[in-house]
Amino acid sequence: AQSVTQLGSHVSVSEGALVLLRCNYSSSVPPYLFWYVQYPNQGLQLLLKYTSAATLVKGINGFEAEFKKSETSFHLTKPSAHMSDAAEYFCAVSRGGGYNKLIFGAGTRLAVHP
Amino acid sequence: DGGITQSPKYLFRKEGQNVTLSCEQNLNHDAMYWYRQDPGQGLRLIYYSQIVNDFQKGDIAEGYSVSREKKESFPLTVTSAQKNPTAFYLCASDSSTGTGTEAFFGQGTRLTVV
Repeated sequence: AQSVTQLGSHVSVSEGALVLLRCNYSSSVPPYLFWYVQYPNQGLQLLLKYTSAATLVKGINGFEAEFKKSETSFHLTKPSAHMSDAAEYFCAVSRGGGYNKLIFGAGTRLAVHP
Repeated sequence: DGGITQSPKYLFRKEGQNVTLSCEQNLNHDAMYWYRQDPGQGLRLIYYSQIVNDFQKGDIAEGYSVSREKKESFPLTVTSAQKNPTAFYLCASDSSTGTGTEAFFGQGTRLTVV
């Protein structure tokens, strides 16, 4: 069965610093992996997704993630944090089987301070 | 603009009442999903549907019911059997062309039991 673990429920960085949000997955089949961002009281917006093409995936707002099969990881990074990046971030894996049912991690809340 | 509309944004329910959350999409997507979000738990799948008049239980379907009479609509009813309904509810849809398809989310409905 697939599962997703996000290490660190809260991450705090300074503006301009590197952002690193960790995600490890468990999947018995080749995974499809996603990162979503959620602003307060809003829905989720897709940042990027991995679907077995390139292992380094570039997304919106300067974010990228690298799929590492040997480490079963899909960590999200951004070289330089901006105040507008403060939000909650969710890693998800698709269960497959014809539906795109997603299994989400518990989320990581990112705070960016001046 | 195409998208998913959830209403109402805030909903208050008295003990023992059934309430219905609306979800409408004009993206011409076949698949629709309902997720429940609780703090620190990520999103959990309640129900999903791929075609009209067909839907399947997700991981936490007890106390909920859905219908899919039209392609663009997928309302969720929270029944009195749901013992802890206070949560943020998110509706999503995708084109269901295969695993790894991007899911689009509505803005959510926050349900509170009073």
